[in-house]
Amino acid sequence: DAGVIQSPRHEVTEMGQEVTLRCKPISGHDYLFWYRQTMMRGLELLIYFNNNVPIDDSGMPEDRFSAKMPNASFSTLKIQPSEPRDSAVYFCASSPGLVGGDTQYFGPGTRLTVL
Amino acid sequence: DAKTTQPNSMESNEEEPVHLPCNHSTISGTDYIHWYRQLPSQGPEYVIHGLTSNVNNRMASLAIAEDRKSSTLILHRATLRDAAVYYCISGSGGSNYKLTFGKGTLLTVNP
Repeated sequence: DAGVIQSPRHEVTEMGQEVTLRCKPISGHDYLFWYRQTMMRGLELLIYFNNNVPIDDSGMPEDRFSAKMPNASFSTLKIQPSEPRDSAVYFCASSPGLVGGDTQYFGPGTRLTVL
Repeated sequence: DAKTTQPNSMESNEEEPVHLPCNHSTISGTDYIHWYRQLPSQGPEYVIHGLTSNVNNRMASLAIAEDRKSSTLILHRATLRDAAVYYCISGSGGSNYKLTFGKGTLLTVNP
């Protein structure tokens, strides 16, 4: 398997623009997670899905952020409108389950810069 | 999730063993102990996990204290490629399971 795939790897945009980040999880994994990493706050969980259904979005910072998972092989994280404080590395991860010993597999991340 | 405490940084020399400590004094009986690491400019990657018994895999060993309030990740022979931030995470399974990442330990490996 190719692992978790994220695109784009780098995104530079201007304040106010819409940004869409994409993720393809590992085939057969029922759980998908979106994380954000900044120097100040470290790695934070934004939202996670089980079988394409959002389960916990308590980490989503505000209404400008939205995430969808239209099918088992694709998810998007959208920011509209984007702001400079959204600049961060966004990681997608997938997992076969949520049993305490299950492993999460992370993608390479998307580095977002909002000017 | 149980709160974990790790040193901010550690140094090691290449080809020497490294012992990375983690305290998780509030751990419950069903909480697993996970270790992930993040190499520069990469996403976190799984290293090892355990519940009660010590664990070994191709990457590392995990030594869990008898009272489970602390654990140690052991890299038997550090290489330059092991330089990374190492995260110790404690959590339980079920619908509320999340990996809560702390600051981790920045491991520097000297040639």
